[in-house]
Amino acid sequence: KNEVEQSPQNLTAQEGEFITINCSYSVGISALHWLQQHPGGGIVSLFMLSSGKKKHGRLIATINIQEKHSSLHITASHPRDSAVYICAVSTSGTYKYIFGTGTRLKVLA
Amino acid sequence: GAGVSQSPRYKVAKRGQDVALRCDPISGHVSLFWYQQALGQGPEFLTYFQNEAQLDKSGLPSDRFFAERPEGSVSTLKIQRTQQEDSAVYLCASSLMALAAVPGAQYFGPGTRLLVL
Repeated sequence: KNEVEQSPQNLTAQEGEFITINCSYSVGISALHWLQQHPGGGIVSLFMLSSGKKKHGRLIATINIQEKHSSLHITASHPRDSAVYICAVSTSGTYKYIFGTGTRLKVLA
Repeated sequence: GAGVSQSPRYKVAKRGQDVALRCDPISGHVSLFWYQQALGQGPEFLTYFQNEAQLDKSGLPSDRFFAERPEGSVSTLKIQRTQQEDSAVYLCASSLMALAAVPGAQYFGPGTRLLVL
């Protein structure tokens, strides 16, 4: 069992839909990161969370430390949101990221 | 630009050939990481530098993989006698933070896509 699991693996949505991507982890963490990776491109950090909720534009990330679960929400989705969204955790006392396998999102116009 | 850069962006190597992948981190960033990302998978940790010191190389898959950061800035990941299973995207990331106990955001380069034939 992977230490960081994401669901769904693939997601297709119509433009304007509300999207939720989930991440569960089984290790102690110091922070959780949501990352975005476009095909052929590098990885961009969207959020770093250790508690609660953060919002940036149409993106919202939440984390529940007790349940070891985080969600990334995209409101009013747009085709330019099409990318792979990766959840990663920084484990307690270390600097390493442990990555989920990613959620491939495609938003159709 | 002010971001992390990597070169080459693409590399095709014949099996058995040695390759060298370069990473230029953000200026002033103390920490530097190398990750390997197989097709359809999330990245996996290879090695970590704090300045010029390689503090963790536990993720390097074999002794054919070697990384260095001699002056605490640019880093090179070298793969000797490449094998087909080495085909992957190699990502470099840097972080301002040096302390292991404090999680810092990592800034990623565009990656080098290595294909071993």
